Amino acid sequence: GAGVSQSPSNKVTEKGKDVELRCDPISGHTALYWYRQSLGQGLEFLIYFQGNSAPDKSGLPSDRFSAERTGGSVSTLTIQRTQQEDSAVYLCASGWTAQETQYFGPGTRLLVL
Amino acid sequence: EDKVVQSPLSLVVHEGDTVTLNCSYEVTNFRSLLWYKQEKKAPTFLFMLTSSGIEKKSGRLSSILDKKELFSILNITATQTGDSAVYLCAPPFNAGGTSYGKLTFGQGTILTVHP
Repeated sequence: GAGVSQSPSNKVTEKGKDVELRCDPISGHTALYWYRQSLGQGLEFLIYFQGNSAPDKSGLPSDRFSAERTGGSVSTLTIQRTQQEDSAVYLCASGWTAQETQYFGPGTRLLVL
Repeated sequence: EDKVVQSPLSLVVHEGDTVTLNCSYEVTNFRSLLWYKQEKKAPTFLFMLTSSGIEKKSGRLSSILDKKELFSILNITATQTGDSAVYLCAPPFNAGGTSYGKLTFGQGTILTVHP
C-alpha cells in the first residue's frame, strides 16, 4: 500500500520567510512524528501526535516552530521567520500506535539562504 | 534521559564480508528496539526487537537483543555494495503508562561496502 508521503521534497527559502511542510501518513496510523536531521547530525525528535492532539512537543526548538494535525491524518509543520540554522531534512513518520514500528516518509530538504 | 550508543561509528569492508554492528542503550521502561537502514534521506525499517535472545532474520540480515546486558547487534552476512548505508538503532520512549513512542536515535554506524 501507499507509504508516508511528504511535500515538498525540496524547499529553498530566504531567511525570515515562513514555510509549511506537509506529511500524509499511512492510512489508519494514529501516531505521527516529526523529526529533523541537520547536516552531519543525528535524527532528533520534534513533535508527536496521537490523533489530532500533540501530547509531546518537547522537541520543538523554538516558538517559531508549530505543527498541527487535522482529521487524524495530514499534518503540517510550520516554521515562521526561518533562520539559516533551520536548514535540515525534516522527516515525518507514522505508526499504528505509539509503540508500534514507525515508517518514515522521504523527507523534505529545507535550505534557508 | 534515554541514551543510545552505536559502534563502530564507521566500517569499511569488501563484498562478501560479514559485519556486526552494535547498539547499547540506557532506557527507562524499555519495551522495544528498532533498527533502521538510512540511505539518502528516509530511514527504512529493518527490525523491531522486544524479546531477549530471539533472533530476527531477514535474508542476509539478522538481529538479536540482550535485555540483561542492554544491547543489540545487527549482523549482515555476505555483504553487498547495496548494503552501504547508515544503520540506526532506536528505542521508542515509554514513560510508564504513557507511551509516546518517540525514537531516540544513536549516532548510527556508517557502513561502506567496496566491490
